[in-house]
Amino acid sequence: GQNIDQPTEMTATEGAIVQINCTYQTSGFNGLFWYQQHAGEAPTFLSYNVLDGLEEKGRFSSFLSRSKGYSYLLLKELQMKDSASYLCAVMDSNYQLIWGAGTKLIIKP
Amino acid sequence: IAGITQAPTSQILAAGRRMTLRCTQDMRHNAMYWYRQDLGLGLRLIHYSNTAGTTGKGEVPDGYSVSRANTDDFPLTLASAVPSQTSVYFCASRLAGDPSYEQYFGPGTRLTVT
Repeated sequence: GQNIDQPTEMTATEGAIVQINCTYQTSGFNGLFWYQQHAGEAPTFLSYNVLDGLEEKGRFSSFLSRSKGYSYLLLKELQMKDSASYLCAVMDSNYQLIWGAGTKLIIKP
Repeated sequence: IAGITQAPTSQILAAGRRMTLRCTQDMRHNAMYWYRQDLGLGLRLIHYSNTAGTTGKGEVPDGYSVSRANTDDFPLTLASAVPSQTSVYFCASRLAGDPSYEQYFGPGTRLTVT
C-alpha cells in the first residue's frame, strides 16, 4: 500500500532550528512536496524535490533521499509565524499527490 | 478575482440533501482537483480533471460527482449527503507544464452534515 509517515506534533523555540522528517512508500515516485498550512487556512507550496540532495530557499531547506524513501524539511531562525502544520506529499506514478497527515509545529517564545 | 475561489465558505446540511460546492479559478490552469481534509488524516483526493471536458476518480470518489464544462469551473456535487461527508473541502489547480508541479489551493469549504 501507499504510506506517508511524519510526526504528529513538534515543539521548538523561537530563533532555533527544527527538522521535520517524512518517510514514504508509494507506487511510483515523481517528486516530493512540502506544504505549509496555518490553522483554518489553505495549504501553500513550500518545496518540490525530485532529485536527491538538499534544496535551500531562504530559511527553509528540503532534503530528499529516494533510495531511503526519506525527506526532511529544515526550518532555521524560527519565527512565531512559522507555527503551522507542515504537510509532506509524494507524487505517485499517476502524477497524483499522496499526502501525509501533517506535522503540527508549535513555536514557543 | 485573482487565484482560486470556493463557495460557500461553510455550510450546515441535513442528511439526504443535495449540495454543490463551487470552485472557480482565473489562472487558466489545466488541471483541477477536489480534496477533503479530516482531522488526523492527510488530504484525500476525491476527483480530478486534467483538462476541460475530462474528469477522473481519486482515492475517495463514492458519493461525489464532478463536471468540467470549461477551464475555470470545477463544481463538486454531493447527491445525497451523509454525516461521514462532514469535512473541509479544498479545491486546487495546477498549470500543465509547470516544472514544480505546484498546486494552488482555494480557501476551503467547511461542510457539516447533520
